[in-house]
Amino acid sequence: DVVLTQTPVSLLISLGGQASISCRSSQSLVHSNGNTYLHWYLQKPGQSPQLLIYQVSNRFSGIPDRFSGSGSGTDFTLKISRVEPEDLGVYYCLQRTHNPNTFGAGTKLELK
Amino acid sequence: QVQLKESGPGLVQPSETLSLTCTVSGFSLTSNSVHWVRQPPGKGLEWMGIIRSGGSTDYNSALKSRLSISRDTSKSQVFLKMNSLQTEDTAIYYCTRETHWGQGVMVTVSS
Repeated sequence: DVVLTQTPVSLLISLGGQASISCRSSQSLVHSNGNTYLHWYLQKPGQSPQLLIYQVSNRFSGIPDRFSGSGSGTDFTLKISRVEPEDLGVYYCLQRTHNPNTFGAGTKLELK
Repeated sequence: QVQLKESGPGLVQPSETLSLTCTVSGFSLTSNSVHWVRQPPGKGLEWMGIIRSGGSTDYNSALKSRLSISRDTSKSQVFLKMNSLQTEDTAIYYCTRETHWGQGVMVTVSS
């Protein structure tokens, strides 16, 4: 199975600051159809996860442009600029290229 | 609008079978995949399995021998069945269409 390694485990960021989360895969996430099915989710406290970014760099509907995704192959990054209070929670990467699908272990974003 | 809602027993005895239902609205199961994901208390997300628009399924390797996902398209429902439950299966169980998630249902395995 594909292993996704997320770093760091936790992040302490000041309001208005920038956060960067890495997601590294144990194998390439490029599908045979050429697409890369690496997505990012945010789970706010007490809530279900919500989709932020799909296929590496595409923001889902309603997601502000403070969130950006990048990367290719086995190395991916989620950046959050101008961090706001509603950005707090646990961020997960998820790969859907290979079966079974797998999640990263999560990165907790907290305010400094 | 797209909605998913999980339902099922909150408490299951060890060694018994868990049966959950995900009732969807706002989209068709014949055109969309639905996944099951679970989250033990205080821990991360674990992908359990998928039923695709065509009806095919795939499962988490660690759960494959105990897990079954099926559906009734006429009722817009997806079902999860997992047998031989243990305390480690205590978790919130979610169904999701990738872009949308249900609220989750808490399942406790305890005698």
